[in-house]
Amino acid sequence: LAKTTQPISMDSYEGQEVNITCSHNNIATNDYITWYQQFPSQGPRFIIQGYKTKVTNEVASLFIPADRKSSTLSLPRVSLSDTAVYYCLVGDKGNTPLVFGKGTRLSVIA
Amino acid sequence: DTAVSQTPKYLVTQMGNDKSIKCEQNLGHDTMYWYKQDSKKFLKIMFSYNNKELIINETVPNRFSPKSPDKAHLNLHINSLELGDSAVYFCASSQEVNSVAPLHFGNGTRLTVT
Repeated sequence: LAKTTQPISMDSYEGQEVNITCSHNNIATNDYITWYQQFPSQGPRFIIQGYKTKVTNEVASLFIPADRKSSTLSLPRVSLSDTAVYYCLVGDKGNTPLVFGKGTRLSVIA
Repeated sequence: DTAVSQTPKYLVTQMGNDKSIKCEQNLGHDTMYWYKQDSKKFLKIMFSYNNKELIINETVPNRFSPKSPDKAHLNLHINSLELGDSAVYFCASSQEVNSVAPLHFGNGTRLTVT
């Protein structure tokens, strides 16, 4: 599994767009980038996954530059309920996530 | 319908006791996992089963024994509980092993050993 680095914490006001960047300099050719969200007292929940360029779903967008050495999770117009820990994972087939890092703790303020 | 459900949600017990945590998934997935989240919040894999067969067994004391009666269930039995076993244990499933399919987690079992 490629090592990832993301900010420990971020704060945002309600209604703002939040961008969380994850660095993965040693990403391999076959690796995908996956983001999870974890609320207190719950298990992580899959948000989005991508390989290159941009992926969008009803929850978030994922931007991946051409060199794929980083990725940015974009949450549009966050609300208080988006307060959670966000994990970035990088891996390919056969690479079951062995460890989730500390993630980014996002606090949304009214 | 809860996709991955685990019971109990909370478990408080004394050192030396034996306890079990049950997990069931109704997603039709082939692969199930147990993860442990410690006080530092790192979430680490313990075991992975694919169609009732053990696939991954990380460095976990042999006091921990997973049991998979069928591919929809993966239970975790812990013998001779120790203080250091206190953590939140998460069950998860995915569509298939050796894929990039996302993991679906249960809501965890908070184990406290006194």
